[in-house]
Amino acid sequence: SQTIHQWPATLVQPVGSPLSLECTVEGTSNPNLYWYRQAAGRGLQLLFYSVGIGQISSEVPQNLSASRPQDRQFILSSKKLLLSDSGFYLCATAPLTGDNSPLHFGNGTRLTVT
Amino acid sequence: GQNIDQPTEMTATEGAIVQINCTYQTSGFNGLFWYQQHAGEAPTFLSYNVLDGLEEKGRFSSFLSRSKGYSYLLLKELQMKDSASYLCAVMNSNYQLIWGAGTKLIIKP
Repeated sequence: SQTIHQWPATLVQPVGSPLSLECTVEGTSNPNLYWYRQAAGRGLQLLFYSVGIGQISSEVPQNLSASRPQDRQFILSSKKLLLSDSGFYLCATAPLTGDNSPLHFGNGTRLTVT
Repeated sequence: GQNIDQPTEMTATEGAIVQINCTYQTSGFNGLFWYQQHAGEAPTFLSYNVLDGLEEKGRFSSFLSRSKGYSYLLLKELQMKDSASYLCAVMNSNYQLIWGAGTKLIIKP
């Protein structure tokens, strides 16, 4: 079975500081990988998804970026955080594109921008 | 546009039954998912419906009517640990997941 490692669990960063969140996946190869953000009382917002190394699709224009340097590694970054970047960031994986298998989520990172 | 509607919050009593509704309008349909999310934790998969009808899994059941754009999650014999948010998500014809904002379920003794 697949395992998703996501760190850190919580993070407090000042406005204007950089961000790097890492997600690694075990137990599967060539997975689809996703970054979601969940603001308080809101639904899950898809930020980025990747179907392979170096392949990133952005769903929402913003000051965040993502990279996939290795098959099972997905990184979310920002050069300068905004207050509105606060939220619960979730990495998720699904086995295939065009497949309706459920998403599996990592434990998430709660980011507070002050 | 595409949207998913579900009640913001519901309250039920331990041992009772509760039904959480979800209505959707999406560009095509490739299935509907229900997830459970405890406070501060990641969502976990509960059920998947792609055909009309009822799918039962222990104390949890999920129903789908594609013609009505409607689903519900039925929780029986409620336990305190069922206090959580329940997220409805629909996969559209492009295999994109459209998420509802979730229903916070509060269980009272």
